[in-house]
Amino acid sequence: QQQVKQSPQSLIVQKGGIPIINCAYENTAFDYFPWYQQFPGKGPALLIAIRPDVSEKKEGRFTISFNKSAKQFSLHIMDSQPGDSATYFCAASILGSGTYKYIFGTGTRLKVLA
Amino acid sequence: DAGVTQSPTHLIKTRGQHVTLRCSPISGHKSVSWYQQVLGQGPQFIFQYYEKEERGRGNFPDRFSARQFPNYSSELNVNALLLGDSALYLCASNPSVLGQGAYGYTFGSGTRLTVV
Repeated sequence: QQQVKQSPQSLIVQKGGIPIINCAYENTAFDYFPWYQQFPGKGPALLIAIRPDVSEKKEGRFTISFNKSAKQFSLHIMDSQPGDSATYFCAASILGSGTYKYIFGTGTRLKVLA
Repeated sequence: DAGVTQSPTHLIKTRGQHVTLRCSPISGHKSVSWYQQVLGQGPQFIFQYYEKEERGRGNFPDRFSARQFPNYSSELNVNALLLGDSALYLCASNPSVLGQGAYGYTFGSGTRLTVV
């Protein structure tokens, strides 16, 4: 099953809150899990990525938690700011025909209130 | 440093027409991938090219084709346009064929195609 299920579809938090976005997958062949941030009219920009042999990774205010047994991973944004308001996509990378392609989730629209 | 550049930024075409979208990867990047992003959805993989060869193809009809040039720039062609082809077309580049590593894929800002 080459799907990545992402939730919630939208999220509103107050400034300083910690929004959490969740993703789940079925295919254990996925071996690289990036998160992308997309602003209106722009392409997705890589935020942070993790491999399945690591349970947590932090970069600045962004943290990925990875649960290999449950086939779930999540993005936490610490001390969220209005400038973090964007659409966030999780993705999973899979090898096929000698190359890797990304399978993206459906996106979470985050709004951080000032 | 120039990022991934795509042209044109916006395009309006009529059903049945043909369209060509262009992409210049980051200097030194040999891999170019194309993704289609329908409004409200995540990007869907269309093609990957590496060293001018097609290395991967998504679940898209034969109306979609692409090529990569010796300077690693790329074109995406879509024939016999349908209303459902309206989307943001994204190009992504990476130094290697694997698309992995510390930086993953770098995406351009896309071409917004509207088919009327």
